Amino acid sequence: GEDVEQSLFLSVREGDSSVINCTYTDSSSTYLYWYKQEPGAGLQLLTYIFSNMDMKQDQRLTVLLNKKDKHLSLRIADTQTGDSAIYFCAESKGDKIIFGKGTRLHILP
Amino acid sequence: GAGVSQTPSNKVTEKGKYVELRCDPISGHTALYWYRQSLGQGPEFLIYFQGTGAADDSGLPNDRFFAVRPEGSVSTLKIQRTERGDSAVYLCASSTGQPGNTIYFGEGSWLTVV
Repeated sequence: GEDVEQSLFLSVREGDSSVINCTYTDSSSTYLYWYKQEPGAGLQLLTYIFSNMDMKQDQRLTVLLNKKDKHLSLRIADTQTGDSAIYFCAESKGDKIIFGKGTRLHILP
Repeated sequence: GAGVSQTPSNKVTEKGKYVELRCDPISGHTALYWYRQSLGQGPEFLIYFQGTGAADDSGLPNDRFFAVRPEGSVSTLKIQRTERGDSAVYLCASSTGQPGNTIYFGEGSWLTVV
């Protein structure tokens, strides 16, 4: 199977919370990342979490890590139209970063 | 400039031709990465440089792909005998090389092989 798996699509109403889930395979990954990619743009690092942490909060973003189940989630509170993008989960593997296929977040009015 | 710079931003080439894609990393960053992103896919690792040497080239798909970084700064990704399946966005990224440090991506070079 793939190293990093995430669902491909998520639709959320404006103002609601978005939760994007991801599973990864490498239990030795030191860092786990969330990147954002807007149409026609490069990858922007949103946040990352060290593997010995359970949770990290940064303004509207909350990252939860369940290391036992190798499950990572990104919660975006009060989702806005500007949050519409593809969100990539990624794990560190040695010196490189391995990405999932991305979750396209669609905001409903 | 302040960010990772990639040229050309767009390249259309004929099947069988040779292509070079250039990456100018953030000044002072010793680590440099090349990734390839096909439509609807996540970025796929190609090669990683620490300084001038390729520390990990395990992602290069075949011997038509080669990358250099002769002075430890600018890097060039070279693709010989291009095929239509090589069409993708080629992303370059750089970091300070320290564990956990942020990896900054460029805007990418869109390659179309016709």
